[in-house]
Amino acid sequence: QVTLKESGPGILQPSQTLSLTCTFSGFSLSTYGMGVGWIRQPSGKGLEWLANIWWDDDKYYNPSLKNRLTISKDTSNNQAFLKITNVDTADTATYYCARIYLRETTGFDYWGQGVMVTVSS
Amino acid sequence: DVVLTQTPVSLLISLGGQASISCRSSQSLVHSNGNTYLHWYLQKPGQSPQLLIYQVSNRFSGIPDRFSGSGSGTDFTLKISRVEPEDLGVYYCLQRTHNPWTFGGGTKLELK
Repeated sequence: QVTLKESGPGILQPSQTLSLTCTFSGFSLSTYGMGVGWIRQPSGKGLEWLANIWWDDDKYYNPSLKNRLTISKDTSNNQAFLKITNVDTADTATYYCARIYLRETTGFDYWGQGVMVTVSS
Repeated sequence: DVVLTQTPVSLLISLGGQASISCRSSQSLVHSNGNTYLHWYLQKPGQSPQLLIYQVSNRFSGIPDRFSGSGSGTDFTLKISRVEPEDLGVYYCLQRTHNPWTFGGGTKLELK
């Protein structure tokens, strides 16, 4: 059974760095074709893809935020991470992590429940 | 970036009726490997998005055959037949043929 769960600080102030953790089970990020992505959704709005990390440590970022994003993984502990530097109120959103498996659906097939992040002074 | 335009923005459907959602891309979604990476998701109220259809027309595990996807190139359609209460929510298309991956703006399905 594949599960993912996001965790984060809840609230942070403008200019701080947002650190998010995705803890998953039921798959391994060392498996060929496996990846984890991060997606966010401001309240009442649509979905925005942020970044993906792959089994071979390849990484892709949304260019609109590229300079502020860092994605990483800890394969042995089944975790993926996303850092966003210099946050502002526009980064207030629910952040999701999701699995990608190139040998099956090739899209985000399993999603976490999401974690709400508020940027406020 | 590839822009996905979903129409309509909202849809009022009676229970048991049929719904059709369009996702039009600003460029072809055929990858150089020949595959078309267009997926459909449903986000029910208060929940995470769930995968319905992957690569245009393949139903994900556990998705009933009331959901069907079709299309090619730049024009794609999700059809929901015999709409049930649990089908209500916002539907999104996603393309992952081109970087950055992009989502459509969403279509909200409501009961008439």
